Amino acid sequence: NAGVTQTPKFRVLKTGQSMTLLCAQDMNHEYMYWYRQDPGMGLRLIHYSVGEGTTAKGEVPDGYNVSRLKKQNFLLGLESAAPSQTSVYFCASSYTGGGTEAFFGQGTRLTVV
Amino acid sequence: AQSVAQPEDQVNVAEGNPLTVKCTYSVSGNPYLFWYVQYPNRGLQFLLKYITGDNLVKGSYGFEAEFNKSQTSFHLKKPSALVSDSALYFCAVRDRGSTLGRLYFGRGTQLTVWP
Repeated sequence: NAGVTQTPKFRVLKTGQSMTLLCAQDMNHEYMYWYRQDPGMGLRLIHYSVGEGTTAKGEVPDGYNVSRLKKQNFLLGLESAAPSQTSVYFCASSYTGGGTEAFFGQGTRLTVV
Repeated sequence: AQSVAQPEDQVNVAEGNPLTVKCTYSVSGNPYLFWYVQYPNRGLQFLLKYITGDNLVKGSYGFEAEFNKSQTSFHLKKPSALVSDSALYFCAVRDRGSTLGRLYFGRGTQLTVWP
């Protein structure tokens, strides 16, 4: 049982390049989330999904897009990377909303130069 | 708007002493409350949660937390700290009355336990 798996773990991008971060969960969870973690800022919600085929904006959605074509996968895209998007990105999933806890991936460290 | 405050960026305690990591919240309805721990270069791990019932909830690794509705707080506690408890701790909240399911996190508190 792998839980939540993020790919890749590390990436360096040049300004203006695009990339996609993949999150996969094998727990049959309905809800999935993308967060970014920056020093002193905690975790900020970028986008989330409450089920296959649905997505919604979080606190800091600008510059990112997401897709949830399959229940087990949640993709985060950067169309034109900027240095301000240098961060550690975490994917999480939970069975539902409400009182169910979220399970986190190991993170992706992204540097935009 | 939902928000979570962790008023202390750092907490330092000696091994064997009790520890408290503070969390206060602001939500429009009644909250579900969570604590997570993050070790260096790792993802967040769930510690405990408050759903309903007893205001004192017990979780993993000997941690517990007390829900105080009047003070809108959910402080994390442990009677006797261990050096291995040193990590970054996050409080999180989800609005019980919302169908959106958003999970909001505080900024985190770095706990250091000295031997």
